[in-house]
Amino acid sequence: AQKITQTQPGMFVQEKEAVTLDCTYDTSDQSYGLFWYKQPSSGEMIFLIYQGSYDEQNATEGRYSLNFQKARKSANLVISASQLGDSAMYFCAMRVGYGGATNKLIFGTGTLLAVQP
Amino acid sequence: GAGVSQTPSNKVTEKGKYVELRCDPISGHTALYWYRQSLGQGPEFLIYFQGTGAADDSGLPNDRFFAVRPEGSVSTLKIQRTERGDSAVYLCASSLRKQGRTGELFFGEGSRLTVL
Repeated sequence: AQKITQTQPGMFVQEKEAVTLDCTYDTSDQSYGLFWYKQPSSGEMIFLIYQGSYDEQNATEGRYSLNFQKARKSANLVISASQLGDSAMYFCAMRVGYGGATNKLIFGTGTLLAVQP
Repeated sequence: GAGVSQTPSNKVTEKGKYVELRCDPISGHTALYWYRQSLGQGPEFLIYFQGTGAADDSGLPNDRFFAVRPEGSVSTLKIQRTERGDSAVYLCASSLRKQGRTGELFFGEGSRLTVL
């Protein structure tokens, strides 16, 4: 079965510190994609970062990096130099039906991050 | 606007009533998705359109739920005989079919449905 697991319901981090949000996934597909989305209180899902299963290097986008460990099936999000505006819900997601099929995403239950001044 | 637009932003209805939720995707995006997000959960896939046709409706929970996209742009999610368990935020997303490597989805802010 294809599944995303986020084991941290909530996390606190001090402003300017780094924080790691955990994500593990389960799939029997060889080709898949992993995403992180941020959902602030407004409700809109904001794309942060993407990692393809065949990518050899960890993805980075500004202060976001994805720690991809394929053998362990983990795709943790690292946010460096946290800012107050980073306080939000964070979702890990996996794309299934890769390569022209559905391209739908399966989401985890999310981690609520609170950045403290 | 340039983003995905969803209306209404909030809808309160009574059990048994019919509801329509509208999604206006980003111009030129051929793929459109509906997701449902219950309180404290991640979004759950409902249906995917490629153009006018529903390419995958495997996430629709039962036959009370139906969605259309008659001209390949705006989509309407229709819920008949609403039940209290249908209360959730309904998210719409769109993408170019070939959005680079990522197939990134662009989400709207959602329609919050409350069934009393």
